[in-house]
Amino acid sequence: RKEVEQDPGPFNVPEGATVAFNCTYSNSASQSFFWYRQDCRKEPKLLMSVYSSGNEDGRFTAQLNRASQYISLLIRDSKLSDSATYLCVVNQYADTGNQFYFGTGTSLTVIP
Amino acid sequence: NAGVTQTPKFQVLKTGQSMTLQCAQDMNHNSMYWYRQDPGMGLRLIYYSASEGTTDKGEVPNGYNVSRLNKREFSLRLESAAPSQTSVYFCASGKDRGLIETQYFGPGTRLLVL
Repeated sequence: RKEVEQDPGPFNVPEGATVAFNCTYSNSASQSFFWYRQDCRKEPKLLMSVYSSGNEDGRFTAQLNRASQYISLLIRDSKLSDSATYLCVVNQYADTGNQFYFGTGTSLTVIP
Repeated sequence: NAGVTQTPKFQVLKTGQSMTLQCAQDMNHNSMYWYRQDPGMGLRLIYYSASEGTTDKGEVPNGYNVSRLNKREFSLRLESAAPSQTSVYFCASGKDRGLIETQYFGPGTRLLVL
């Protein structure tokens, strides 16, 4: 079973739409959670960390449900520049250091 | 402040050839990582180094070796390249913020093994 699972999409939405991505993780001992954004043929970049209480950064809202082992990302008022692949990332800490597990990503295209 | 840099950007190898991928960061981070990214597989951890002088295997270490040369540099070596190692390789460094570590990625190395 994969450590992190995401719906690969693609999601094609019009400008101004609201879109939500979901992600599940298999290891209940996972300790920290993130959403990264990856543009075509570029490196991943941190979009936001995800906290149990939920957190918001402008048009982006992330939620964590530890009981269901589920992470979500909501994008409101989508912009053309939001077109990218969104990666769900889970961190597990071991004695030797942090290990990060990435989902395969969800592809978003915002259409004019 | 260049962040995380990787060389080379592109490389073509023949099966059995060896090469070293270089990675350096100037952010004074303790942790560094090597990942490979393949279509439909997501990023998978090859090796990581929690601090200077330590290295540990990740999810897919077979066929690779690493060296944490100093705090800044973390290299990945393919001793005998195989077509299955065709991939995009990303190096990352980690910034600790309490219990949360944020990763910063280099631009990647695209490797083709024929």
